[in-house]
Amino acid sequence: EAGVVQSPRYKIIEKKQPVAFWCNPISGHNTLYWYLQNLGQGPELLIRYENEEAVDDSQLPKDRFSAERLKGVDSTLKIQPAELGDSAVYLCASSLEGSTDTQYFGPGTRLTVL
Amino acid sequence: AQSVTQLDSQVPVFEEAPVELRCNYSSSVSVYLFWYVQYPNQGLQLLLKYLSGSTLVKGINGFEAEFNKSQTSFHLRKPSVHISDTAEYFCALPRIFGKGTTLSVSS
Repeated sequence: EAGVVQSPRYKIIEKKQPVAFWCNPISGHNTLYWYLQNLGQGPELLIRYENEEAVDDSQLPKDRFSAERLKGVDSTLKIQPAELGDSAVYLCASSLEGSTDTQYFGPGTRLTVL
Repeated sequence: AQSVTQLDSQVPVFEEAPVELRCNYSSSVSVYLFWYVQYPNQGLQLLLKYLSGSTLVKGINGFEAEFNKSQTSFHLRKPSVHISDTAEYFCALPRIFGKGTTLSVSS
């Protein structure tokens, strides 16, 4: 069974440029998460989807970040415009559903903003 | 509010020694606790989880953790570590992660 797929694995951009990250969850997983992980820190939740619905986006900086999960399968996270402080690893995870379920993580996208 | 505190940022140990990685939590709702491991250049993967029932939880690679409700702790233990256990370990409530503990095993 394929795991969570993320692309690109690495991205380097200039500040003020837009950037997008893509995630394909494990087949059949209804819940999808986007996390941000700074160096030396744990993952911090940005947004959680249940199927197509964003059920928790309280930590998503909506002035520059947006996300979508069309058709309840894969998802895109966008930053526009990027700032220096956005340099981090962006993780996608999926689970069958619910708080008790194991989250399966992708390898992440390492973003560097110059 | 929910929170997770990992009490040690770095734990250096010698191979075959026992190890304990400490985790305290705060939660006003039902407690589900997880330990994830992140090997260098890899994604996080589940070591073990506590949902209910027995407070001693066994996971992969010989790790175990004990849920202690009175002390609000969920410490991770292994009786004898290997070089390959060198990694970052994260304690978590659902969707809330600690800052991580770096376990460094040397020979």
